[in-house]
Amino acid sequence: NAGVTQTPKFQVLKTGQSMTLQCAQDMNHEYMSWYRQDPGMGLRLIHYSVGAGITDQGEVPNGYNVSRSTTEDFPLRLLSAAPSQTSVYFCASSSPGTSGGRGTGELFFGEGSRLTVL
Amino acid sequence: DAKTTQPTSMDCAEGRAANLPCNHSTISGNEYVYWYRQIHSQGPQYIIHGLKNNETNEMASLIITEDRKSSTLILPHATLRDTAVYYCIVRVDDYKLSFGAGTTVTVRA
Repeated sequence: NAGVTQTPKFQVLKTGQSMTLQCAQDMNHEYMSWYRQDPGMGLRLIHYSVGAGITDQGEVPNGYNVSRSTTEDFPLRLLSAAPSQTSVYFCASSSPGTSGGRGTGELFFGEGSRLTVL
Repeated sequence: DAKTTQPTSMDCAEGRAANLPCNHSTISGNEYVYWYRQIHSQGPQYIIHGLKNNETNEMASLIITEDRKSSTLILPHATLRDTAVYYCIVRVDDYKLSFGAGTTVTVRA
């Protein structure tokens, strides 16, 4: 299994350009999410999905769109890039557990996509 | 969601136990305590989680106080590869976690 795969690993955009960060997982996980991490800070949740066709906003959703047409893929779209969106983006996936909390507790993260907006 | 308080940084000696504290005094009854770590600029790695009881796995032990207002992550024999940022998180749903600044742990030879 490849786990969680993010592409591209590095990207430079100009202000106003649009792009899509790709995320794919091969573990048949129902839950997927996108986080961003700014220098010296923890991760902040952008959007998440609890299954195909279902998405919701996290802490910092403005400027980003998501969709979940399949279980495997959860792309993150930047409609009009701004310098404030310069960050490292992480995609994660997990599956619901059979007892206790609503998940297994373990999020599997991709290696990250490093985005610079000039 | 309950907020957590962790020390900004801590050092520990290689081969010794590393005890990482976390305060979560406003935790509610159905919130779990999770620990993740992030090595350099990689994606965070799950370590352990628990609700009330102490938990142990191959990586670490989690000790939760009886009133659940604080917890301690124990790395039994720290190695240089354990140098990382460690995040303590409390949340009901594990698929949407909020990561604070965490504790930067440096293991020294």
